[in-house]
Amino acid sequence: DAKTTQPPSMDCAEGRAANLPCNHSTISGNEYVYWYRQIHSQGPQYIIHGLKNNETNEMASLIITEDRKSSTLILPHATLRDTAVYYCIVRVAGAQKLVFGQGTRLTINP
Amino acid sequence: DAGVTQSPTHLIKTRGQQVTLRCSPKSGHDTVSWYQQALGQGPQFIFQYYEEEERQRGNFPDRFSGHQFPNYSSELNVNALLLGDSALYLCASSFNFGADTDTQYFGPGTRLTVL
Repeated sequence: DAKTTQPPSMDCAEGRAANLPCNHSTISGNEYVYWYRQIHSQGPQYIIHGLKNNETNEMASLIITEDRKSSTLILPHATLRDTAVYYCIVRVAGAQKLVFGQGTRLTINP
Repeated sequence: DAGVTQSPTHLIKTRGQQVTLRCSPKSGHDTVSWYQQALGQGPQFIFQYYEEEERQRGNFPDRFSGHQFPNYSSELNVNALLLGDSALYLCASSFNFGADTDTQYFGPGTRLTVL
């Protein structure tokens, strides 16, 4: 599985866009980028995933660079409820497991 | 539409005991994966069940075993509990995960404390 690198922590003001980076320089062509978040002591929540095109859903946008070596998760209007640990995961096509790293602890400040 | 459910929510056991945790997958899902999350760490994959068989296993000892029932629900069993088994145990369900775009959805977890 390709390894991902995320900053350990980030802060963002409430109402602003939160941009969470992820490096996955060894990603291969058939690997997807997944984002999950985990609010304290709860189960991880699926946010979004993509292969090469940018993706958007009701929760967030995912921007993947053209060379696919990095991506950015964007929460367009962060609220206090978005405070959580965000995990960027690269998944080999056909693999059963998700490999979690340490993630980014995002704190939204009022 | 009920999501993934797990029981119990909390559990306290002593060293050497055995524990069984339960998981009901999201409606329409047929695959269940189990993860262990120690305090301050990301979840670690234990194993996955599909068609009542263990399909893949992570780096966990044989003390960890599981079962999947015909209705796709699953149990995680841990024998001879150690203090280090204290963790949040997460169940995730999916539909025949392995296709390119299937997604695992997680339950709320069971917090196991071993004294």
